[in-house]
Amino acid sequence: NAGVMQNPRHLVRRRGQEARLRCSPMKGHSHVYWYRQLPEEGLKFMVYLQKENIIDESGMPKERFSAEFPKEGPSILRIQQVVRGDSAAYFCASSPRGGQNTEAFFGQGTRLTVV
Amino acid sequence: GNSVTQMEGPVTLSEEAFLTINCTYTATGYPSLFWYVQYPGEGLQLLLKATKADDKGSNKGFEATYRKETTSFHLEKGSVQVSDSAVYFCALSLMEYGNKLVFGAGTILRVKS
Repeated sequence: NAGVMQNPRHLVRRRGQEARLRCSPMKGHSHVYWYRQLPEEGLKFMVYLQKENIIDESGMPKERFSAEFPKEGPSILRIQQVVRGDSAAYFCASSPRGGQNTEAFFGQGTRLTVV
Repeated sequence: GNSVTQMEGPVTLSEEAFLTINCTYTATGYPSLFWYVQYPGEGLQLLLKATKADDKGSNKGFEATYRKETTSFHLEKGSVQVSDSAVYFCALSLMEYGNKLVFGAGTILRVKS
């Protein structure tokens, strides 16, 4: 059973371009979470999705960021018109269900560099 | 609000030394508490957890006890190894927020041989 797969592992974009980050959850997991880790900081929650639904997007910036988790295929975090401040590591986690005590399994992250 | 505060690092220890990484929290409800470890270039792995007061989580020689009276969840290990060098994150989750995790800033641990 493969773990949470994120790709690409490293992504370089010029200012103003779009960044698309992909996350394939573990088999049987229908809950996906995206976190952002700025340099030398902890992870900050961005968005929580179930299949085809956004459950909680309270951590998402209001502009340029969007996320989806379609019925088929991976979850996508999209950042439009990237700026230098978007440079960070973006981690995806998945779990088989929601709930406070359910372990979330993390991917290895996508490190986005905006030049 | 809900937050987690960890001791600042880096923490540098010699092999076989005793480790303590302090973690305190504030929460609007009754949280579950976690320690995650991040090895260089890797994602986070769950190290241990505790879901109610006085519970002790343990794994790979690491332990942490959920102390409600002091709102703390300090991580300890009796004898560290070079392979324990990593970043350690304390985190909480609350029922009303599903499985969403609130993380501390992380503590870098460096173990010298």
